[in-house]
This record gives sequence, structure tokens and C-alpha cells, in this order.
Amino acid sequence: NAGVTQTPKFQVLKTGQSMTLQCAQDMNHNSMYWYRQDPGMGLRLIYYSASEGTTDKGEVPNGYNVSRLNKREFSLRLESAAPSQTSVYFCASSEYWGRPAFFGQGTRLTVV
Amino acid sequence: AQSVTQPDIHITVSEGASLELRCNYSYGATPYLFWYVQSPGQGLQLLLKYFSGDTLVQGIKGFEAEFKRSQSSFNLRKPSVHWSDAAEYFCAVGDGGSQGNLIFGKGTKLSVKP
Repeated sequence: NAGVTQTPKFQVLKTGQSMTLQCAQDMNHNSMYWYRQDPGMGLRLIYYSASEGTTDKGEVPNGYNVSRLNKREFSLRLESAAPSQTSVYFCASSEYWGRPAFFGQGTRLTVV
Repeated sequence: AQSVTQPDIHITVSEGASLELRCNYSYGATPYLFWYVQSPGQGLQLLLKYFSGDTLVQGIKGFEAEFKRSQSSFNLRKPSVHWSDAAEYFCAVGDGGSQGNLIFGKGTKLSVKP
């Protein structure tokens, strides 16, 4: 029972490079989320998908795009990475929008 | 707008001592309230939740929390702390509706002295 799986766990990018963070859940959850965590800031929502086929911006969407590929998978793309995007990224899922979320282990991204 | 305040950035307690982590929220209606724990290098794990009903809720790992509407608080407690409880704790508020996003506090880091 894997829960929420994120890949990769660590990544270093150069400014201007692009990359996609992958997330998959095996709990048949409807809603999925991408958060970023920065020291002293708690977790901030980047994008969410309340149900398959829908995506919406969260609190800090600038510089990111998402794709809800199917019910299981929700990817986060950085088109042109910036040092300000250095952070730990968490994917989460929940049965329904607003219900308790289950989190992945995180991706630690450094942009140099 | 919804907001969550965790007044204590860092707390240190002795193993075996009791623990209370504070959480205050700002929300217009009855909120959904959550406590999460994050061990170093790990994701967040749900400790407990409050939706409605009994204002004292029990969670995993021996934690409990009490919802006090008059004080807009949802403090987390544990009668006797174990060294393995050292982690960061996050309070979150949500409404489960059209604005069902969870708003997280900035977290309280718990250290446990032997």
C-alpha cells in the first residue's frame, strides 16, 4: 500500500531549466494537491485538482503548471526554474475536496 | 479570510512531561480543523481531525485536541511525551466546501529532552 508516491526525491536545476515533478496515488482519491514548504512559511498551496479533469490555482501558482493526467496522477511542471522556486514540494491527495489529505514524502528541489 | 496561527515556533519538553501545542484560527463559520505531524525528511501525517460533534477529539499516537469555539482555538495535547514525538506539528483549517483548501499554520517544532 504505497499511498502517495512522488518522484524524484531530490533534484538540482540550473536557472532557466525545466522539469516535471510526478505524483501518483493508489487510494482512488478524487482530489489531489501540490504544496510547497519553505522554512517558517508552513505549507502553501500551488495548484489543486478537486476532481479528475479539473485543475485550479492555489495561493502561489506563478511559475508553475499542472496536469491531472488521470485519476491517479497529478504532475507539476516548472517551465523555467528560478532560485525562488528552491523549496520542498509535497503532493497530497484526499477522498474529496477539503477532506483530510495524505501526503507524499516530498521532493527537495534546489535551483542554482 | 481564513488564517491559522501557531504562536510557538519551537517548544522543548522533557520526556514524560505533558505537552500542549497552541493553535488559533480565524474563520467565519464552523471550520474543519486538523493537526498534522512531520518527522524530519518526511511528509505530513494526519494526527486527528475535527468536523463536528464532540469537541474533544482523539487521534493517533496518544494525541488529543479540544475545539473551543469561544476562543477560536484547537490546541493539541499529549499527557506524556515520548522521545519519538520530536517533530514539527502543523495545525490546519478548512471548510470542506467550495473553498475547501486547507490553510496551514507555520508549524511548531517540538524537541524532547531525555
